[in-house]
Amino acid sequence: AQSVTQPDARVTVSEGASLQLRCKYSSSVTPYLFWYVQYPRQGLQLLLKYYSGDPVVQGVNGFEAEFSKSNSSFHLRKASVHWSDSAVYFCAVSITGNTRKLIFGLGTTLQVQP
Amino acid sequence: GPKVLQIPSHQIIDMGQMVTLNCDPVSNHLYFYWYKQILGQQMEFLVNFYNGKVMEKSKLFKDQFSVERPDGSYFTLKIQPTALEDSAVYFCASSTDSDTEVFFGKGTRLTVV
Repeated sequence: AQSVTQPDARVTVSEGASLQLRCKYSSSVTPYLFWYVQYPRQGLQLLLKYYSGDPVVQGVNGFEAEFSKSNSSFHLRKASVHWSDSAVYFCAVSITGNTRKLIFGLGTTLQVQP
Repeated sequence: GPKVLQIPSHQIIDMGQMVTLNCDPVSNHLYFYWYKQILGQQMEFLVNFYNGKVMEKSKLFKDQFSVERPDGSYFTLKIQPTALEDSAVYFCASSTDSDTEVFFGKGTRLTVV
């Protein structure tokens, strides 16, 4: 069975600082990997996704993530955060097939301090 | 980008009553999903639906739950009867046949009292 671990429940950084949110997955095959962001009282919005190829993928709003097969990880990064990045970030995996469900991590709440 | 619309955004219902949550998926999408998120917890898969039938459901998809998409209109989640533990935000999502990217609605906050 697949699972996703986000070890940091809450991360606090100062505006302008760099950011890394960690995600590790467990799967018998390389899954499709996603990062979603959830702003208060909003649905999930896709930041970026990885299917194959270049392990560093670029997303919206300056976010990028790096896939590591050896570490079973898909960490999210941003060079310089803005206060508006404060939100909950979810890492998710999906196994191809006709069932198509996303398995989410518990999420990491990011608080950006001015 | 593509939008999934959920109606209503918030519903309060008495325990034991029936509730129907409505979802208007992206127009050319063929896969539909419901996820449940209890406050402060992770999003959890409930069910997915394709070609008029349930493809997979989780253990959270109790016998009191049902889904349908009558006449290609709204994709609905019906809970009958509701229980206190059904209080959560329910997110609808949809995707195409050829791409696993899933688009989510803003959710319906269900409060069972």
